[in-house]
Amino acid sequence: EIVMTQSPATLSVSPGETATLSCRASQSLSSDLAWYQRKPGQTPRLLIYAASTRATGIPARFSGSGSGTEFTLTISSLQSEDFAVYYCQQYHIWPRTFGQGTKVELK
Amino acid sequence: EVQLVESGGTLVQPGGSLRLSCEASGFAFITYWMSWVRQAPGKGLEWVANINQDGSGSNYVDSVKGRFTISRDNAENSLFLQMNTLRAEDTAVYYCLRGGYYPDFWGQGTLVTVSS
Repeated sequence: EIVMTQSPATLSVSPGETATLSCRASQSLSSDLAWYQRKPGQTPRLLIYAASTRATGIPARFSGSGSGTEFTLTISSLQSEDFAVYYCQQYHIWPRTFGQGTKVELK
Repeated sequence: EVQLVESGGTLVQPGGSLRLSCEASGFAFITYWMSWVRQAPGKGLEWVANINQDGSGSNYVDSVKGRFTISRDNAENSLFLQMNTLRAEDTAVYYCLRGGYYPDFWGQGTLVTVSS
């Protein structure tokens, strides 16, 4: 099983700033990585797949990068609606596995 | 509008069985892989199983192999999870997902509680 490790656990950011979230895999994923946003009381929303491709309707301020074992989600010009928990998930091999999440909170 | 509506979650005793259902609408169900993911209280997300478009192929996480069976009825746009020999550690909210790789739509979930 591939273990996904996200850092930091919590990120305190002010509106308008840039948030940089990291996700590390225990073995190479090529680019088979997705990012999700989850707000309280809601189900996860797909943001990014194939490490860097934005899903339908996702604003351009969300960008993904990386390959292999190191990946990054960058949220530029953070908006109030972006405060949430973000998860990475690998789909390179079965079982699919998720990271434990990074909470982006208001500084 | 895409909708995934789960049902069937309830309180069940250890060793018991339960069948979860997911009714899909608003998209061409037959063209998608489908999956079940669960989240136990205070724990992370765990991918339980997925199934291909015609139901001929499926995958299970080791912790449920031999106990859970995923299936689908494309005529009824429905996904199922038959859960047998339930254990306390199966207690979780179970989500129905559209997709088998990077799901783009999640249902609201149904709570399964395994307890005596």
